[in-house]
Amino acid sequence: GQGVEQPAKLMSVEGTFARVNCTYSTSGFNGLSWYQQREGQAPVFLSYVVLDGLKDSGHFSTFLSRSNGYSYLLLTELQIKDSASYLCAVRIGDRGSALGRLHFGAGTQLIVIP
Amino acid sequence: GPKVLQIPSHQIIDMGQMVTLNCDPVSNHLYFYWYKQILGQQMEFLVNFYNGKVMEKSKLFKDQFSVERPDGSYFTLKIQPTALEDSAVYFCASSLQNSGNTLYFGEGSRLIVV
Repeated sequence: GQGVEQPAKLMSVEGTFARVNCTYSTSGFNGLSWYQQREGQAPVFLSYVVLDGLKDSGHFSTFLSRSNGYSYLLLTELQIKDSASYLCAVRIGDRGSALGRLHFGAGTQLIVIP
Repeated sequence: GPKVLQIPSHQIIDMGQMVTLNCDPVSNHLYFYWYKQILGQQMEFLVNFYNGKVMEKSKLFKDQFSVERPDGSYFTLKIQPTALEDSAVYFCASSLQNSGNTLYFGEGSRLIVV
């Protein structure tokens, strides 16, 4: 079956870093996206990875290991406003499949404390 | 950034009645999606739509569900008749390309069926 797992909560201190983990078990993996979602607001796209390794996007970096079915989102120099839910979403299917058929995790609630 | 608007933000409806959820996607986008999120659970794919047609749908997209976008107006999700288990937040999303990496989501329409 298809499963995307994330820890429910994560707490980190302002100015430090947070690593949000995501593991997935799928067939036909075709990329993984991270979204940020604040309470009552729309999920906002952060990053997409399809190749192994670390992708540095400044405040956010993402890592992927396809052989381990594992990704993480790394937030550095945390600010209070980074407190939000972070959603991992795996795209399943071949290149002909629609982009939007994403399998989401339940999200990790990141709490940044002073 | 580009915004997807959803109307209504909240609706309470009696079981058995019809409801229409409206989505105003990003203006130049071509692909449209609906996702369903039950409280405390992950977002789940319902359907995607392109060029006036449903491209893919999940098993959650019951026979009581239908989507359309008449004449480039709102992209709508209609549920007729509604059931108690349809209570959820429904997120609309759009994207420019099928092979692109970014979905733009609306803030969701919270549907409560009583």
